[in-house]
Amino acid sequence: GESVGLHLPTLSVQEGDNSIINCAYSNSASDYFIWYKQESGKGPQFIIDIRSNMDKRQGQRVTVLLNKTVKHLSLQIAATQPGDSAVYFCAEIPLLGGYQKVTFGTGTKLQVIP
Amino acid sequence: DARVTQTPRHKVTEMGQEVTMRCQPILGHNTVFWYRQTMMQGLELLAYFRNRAPLDDSGMPKDRFSAEMPDATLATLKIQPSEPRDSAVYFCASGLVSDGAVRVSKNIQYFGAGTRLSVL
Repeated sequence: GESVGLHLPTLSVQEGDNSIINCAYSNSASDYFIWYKQESGKGPQFIIDIRSNMDKRQGQRVTVLLNKTVKHLSLQIAATQPGDSAVYFCAEIPLLGGYQKVTFGTGTKLQVIP
Repeated sequence: DARVTQTPRHKVTEMGQEVTMRCQPILGHNTVFWYRQTMMQGLELLAYFRNRAPLDDSGMPKDRFSAEMPDATLATLKIQPSEPRDSAVYFCASGLVSDGAVRVSKNIQYFGAGTRLSVL
């Protein structure tokens, strides 16, 4: 069936460097994508979202890039901080509105080295 | 600060016992989700409610699991009888989606802190 997956299960970066977390999706009909951050012992938290009619969206220190041609999503974190250490999930939603079954990726663990 | 509240945070029980997990969604949200998270399977959707009606429970083992929303402020997930393979973290999430009464341009789920279940 359709699935969302991640290229790298674990990513280690030096504090202050930029981090890039990647996600591949297989449902070309997906209309909406979300990145979630899950810290140890907590539930996933919304970070940033992007619609399929956009290529890029920026938040505070985070940027999401969407390449529909190759069905690829990435999350860029600028000046990575120890507090960014967590598991990051991409989530794929077919269409906005109505019942939408969200497909979550397997997650990438980001380790920030002080 | 609105949040999804789950109780209990931790539950240790013996095989065969009934387990009830509770969730208070964010006030005003019209959708509630139950997920199970394990190292092997990641986040799995168990059940989905919209306006308190169950719309999708295809991910839930029907013989032992049941999910209900007695009212708009409470969602429950029950396992009876519990088995060791049910050990996992169970998350509840709520959100707001477009329906006849409301129109939204986003589809964000807000997660609770989870219930960590250990079945011995």
